[in-house]
Amino acid sequence: GENVEQHPSTLSVQEGDSAVIKCTYSDSASNYFPWYKQELGKRPQLIIDIRSNVGEKKDQRIAVTLNKTAKHFSLHITETQPEDSAVYFCAASYNYQLIWGAGTKLIIKP
Amino acid sequence: DGGITQSPKYLFRKEGQNVTLSCEQNLNHDAMYWYRQDPGQGLRLIYYSQIVNDFQKGDIAEGYSVSREKKESFPLTVTSAQKNPTAFYLCASSMSASASNEQFFGPGTRLTVL
Repeated sequence: GENVEQHPSTLSVQEGDSAVIKCTYSDSASNYFPWYKQELGKRPQLIIDIRSNVGEKKDQRIAVTLNKTAKHFSLHITETQPEDSAVYFCAASYNYQLIWGAGTKLIIKP
Repeated sequence: DGGITQSPKYLFRKEGQNVTLSCEQNLNHDAMYWYRQDPGQGLRLIYYSQIVNDFQKGDIAEGYSVSREKKESFPLTVTSAQKNPTAFYLCASSMSASASNEQFFGPGTRLTVL
């Protein structure tokens, strides 16, 4: 079936450094790719998304890039801060659903 | 954090019991979803509803049932046929059934089998 692979499962970076999380998807018809952040014990919340007609989107310290040919997309967080510590999920659209990656636990070291 | 609510926050089930998780939204959204979240895994879709009185099975519907009698409400029943129900359950809604709309999540219900 359709699937989304997300790497790494855990990422530890020094505060102030950049973090990159990568996802690959299987359905070439997917056209919407959101990223959600879930803090411990809380609900997932959308932080950025990208549609298939653009290759990159930025929002302050967060950016997402999309390579439709290779079927992969990435989340980039620059100048990481303690409040960036969370689990990040990528997803790809498939029919009326989103197919989710397994999540990346981002740890920001002081 | 308003807009979509779930209750209860914690729920305990005995073997052989059916339990119902509540999900309510006041966002006037047409589509609603139920996900199951297990440690180290992504969100897995149980059921979704695109419109009132209509719903479809997701990837892991066995042992679960839903209803959508009102636009605002999408309760999930975990039946005794679900052999491993201990998990965190998340309800979500979106403006329409298109997968390209942002999904808004409720705070979740943590279900534990005793």
